[in-house]
Amino acid sequence: DTAVSQTPKYLVTQMGNDKSIKCEQNLGHDTMYWYKQDSKKFLKIMFSYNNKELIINETVPNRFSPKSPDKAHLNLHINSLELGDSAVYFCASSQVVSEGSYGYTFGSGTRLTVV
Amino acid sequence: DAKTTQPNSMESNEEEPVHLPCNHSTISGTDYIHWYRQLPSQGPEYVIHGLTSNVNNRMASLAIAEDRKSSTLILHRATLRDAAVYYCILRDFGNEKLTFGTGTRLTIIP
Repeated sequence: DTAVSQTPKYLVTQMGNDKSIKCEQNLGHDTMYWYKQDSKKFLKIMFSYNNKELIINETVPNRFSPKSPDKAHLNLHINSLELGDSAVYFCASSQVVSEGSYGYTFGSGTRLTVV
Repeated sequence: DAKTTQPNSMESNEEEPVHLPCNHSTISGTDYIHWYRQLPSQGPEYVIHGLTSNVNNRMASLAIAEDRKSSTLILHRATLRDAAVYYCILRDFGNEKLTFGTGTRLTIIP
């Protein structure tokens, strides 16, 4: 049973296209995230949602629009794709417990290549 | 989030202990110390976290300096599967955001 699953695993598309990446978690976590890992392997948060409500939006271009239909799903839609959007996108979830937030769980990533 | 400093890379022999250091001299009293690792072609995975006392779990041990300005992740017996990038992250209590640095790339030598 995959705790955080993303689809597709690989996505190759042309500049200017619109694409979506889907994420689902079966952990019952309240908070979900999108992270981007660029070619230099630097991981940076993009968005976070808590119970379908946007909590964090880290200065991401408007072409990126997250959507959370319910707390188990967080999808990422990207309009007018650019070469610089090529990266690995990771979905993650977490739950706040005592003793500080305990353990993010990440998906295995979606490698997006824009040509 | 407060900043951490880690060596860019380390090597260790298989089946030997590995000590991965992390400096966090500007840590605040409510910052928890988290360690994550990222195996090749995978998402990051949680390793361990602590506040003041040393912590042990099935994956590793976390040794925290008395002044909390540094910590060490200890892998007791490294295997080839432990080759990964290890991230030391400070996270304020109640703040769910994880801010990754550049981490330490650990290479295990057979």
